[in-house]
Amino acid sequence: AQTVTQSQPEMSVQEAETVTLSCTYDTSESNYYLFWYKQPPSRQMILVIRQEAYKQQNATENRFSVNFQKAAKSFSLKISDSQLGDTAMYFCAFTHAVNTDKLIFGTGTRLQVFP
Amino acid sequence: DTGVSQDPRHKITKRGQNVTFRCDPISEHNRLYWYRQTLGQGPEFLTYFQNEAQLEKSRLLSNRFSAERPKGSFSTLEIQRTEQGDSAMYLCASSLPGRYSETQYFGPGTRLLVL
Repeated sequence: AQTVTQSQPEMSVQEAETVTLSCTYDTSESNYYLFWYKQPPSRQMILVIRQEAYKQQNATENRFSVNFQKAAKSFSLKISDSQLGDTAMYFCAFTHAVNTDKLIFGTGTRLQVFP
Repeated sequence: DTGVSQDPRHKITKRGQNVTFRCDPISEHNRLYWYRQTLGQGPEFLTYFQNEAQLEKSRLLSNRFSAERPKGSFSTLEIQRTEQGDSAMYLCASSLPGRYSETQYFGPGTRLLVL
């Protein structure tokens, strides 16, 4: 069975600094997708970034980038130039590529950005 | 607003009552998903539809739960004889068909409290 593990329940960072959130996963599949979603307090889940496992190049979206290590089954999220609006729960998630149905989520990391 | 919408946003009910939630996906999305999120946890998959066909149900979806998507557009999730353990956020997500079906877009959720 596929599992997603986020070992950092809480993180904090000062505004304008860089922070990295960790995620590891377990699967026997060779082709899959990985995601980071952001869930601000009392607001809906928003897609931050998406990575296709067959692509070696790490995905980037403005201040957000990932470090995808397929052999190590690691998928960390780096947030550069942190902003107060980045304060949220961040969830790492996985889905198959062949039969893209359910997302499997980690337990989340609560990120607090301080001024 | 062309995103995923859910109604109601909040529901308080007494144990033993039935409740029904509605989800309207993004208009061109043919896949629709239901997840449950309890406090401090990541979302857990409940069920998903491709058009009007319900293709997968989680073991979490007991026989008190039923979901429908009668015309392949909006979906309803009904919980019969609610229990206190059903208190959670119920999230709906949708995705495009074909190549981009792996990326799911979430609604704001329905927060259920069973007294």
